[in-house]
Amino acid sequence: QVQLQESGPGLVKPSETLSLTCTVSGASVSGYYWSWIRQPPGKGLEWIGYIYYTGSTNYNPSLKSRVTISVDTSRSQFSLKLSSVTAADTAVYYCARGLTTEMNGSYYYYIDVWGKGTTVTVSS
Amino acid sequence: DIQMTQSPSSLSASVGDRVTITCRASQSISSYLNWYQQKPGKAPKLLIYAASSLQSGVPSRFSGSGSGTDFTLTINSLQPEDFATYYCQQSYSTFTFGQGTRLEIK
Repeated sequence: QVQLQESGPGLVKPSETLSLTCTVSGASVSGYYWSWIRQPPGKGLEWIGYIYYTGSTNYNPSLKSRVTISVDTSRSQFSLKLSSVTAADTAVYYCARGLTTEMNGSYYYYIDVWGKGTTVTVSS
Repeated sequence: DIQMTQSPSSLSASVGDRVTITCRASQSISSYLNWYQQKPGKAPKLLIYAASSLQSGVPSRFSGSGSGTDFTLTINSLQPEDFATYYCQQSYSTFTFGQGTRLEIK
């Protein structure tokens, strides 16, 4: 059974860099897309970006200038760095596994496994 | 960016009811549309992918339809455990979520 576990500081100061790690257990990192999604208090979901196991990345354009996602296949981990944080970055951060399925010649992407989420507060 | 708009934002229904939630994309996304269910304090759960494919283990009372810009999630015979918030997500170009539809008990 695949499990994802987020870890990292729960409190980050404004202007600093938020760093989170997701540890994957029960499955290989290979062959999947590894995403970060966040949810501000009382609000909806915002996709941050993903990294394919090969290292290629795709980021939300609105966050692209501040986001770096990396993967360590040897440790079955992937990480998020979000720089220059403000109070608006306060949220529950989820790591998640994405995959594609081929149907009628097209490849459809979806997220099938999520971590439980970790709360990050930006405050001095 | 592709914007996803769900309607209604909230609705009240009773156990046994049939409910429909709509998701509209700001441009055509073919069938690149997924639906998730989220309960308070929990991570989202995949229900439907590729607009109409039921994820393994999800009850058959959930169904999805649509293509292009207009999509629907239908829940037949609502069960107590179905009261939650539902999100659509497009995977045509980067990935964006709808704002969510909160399904409450009447």
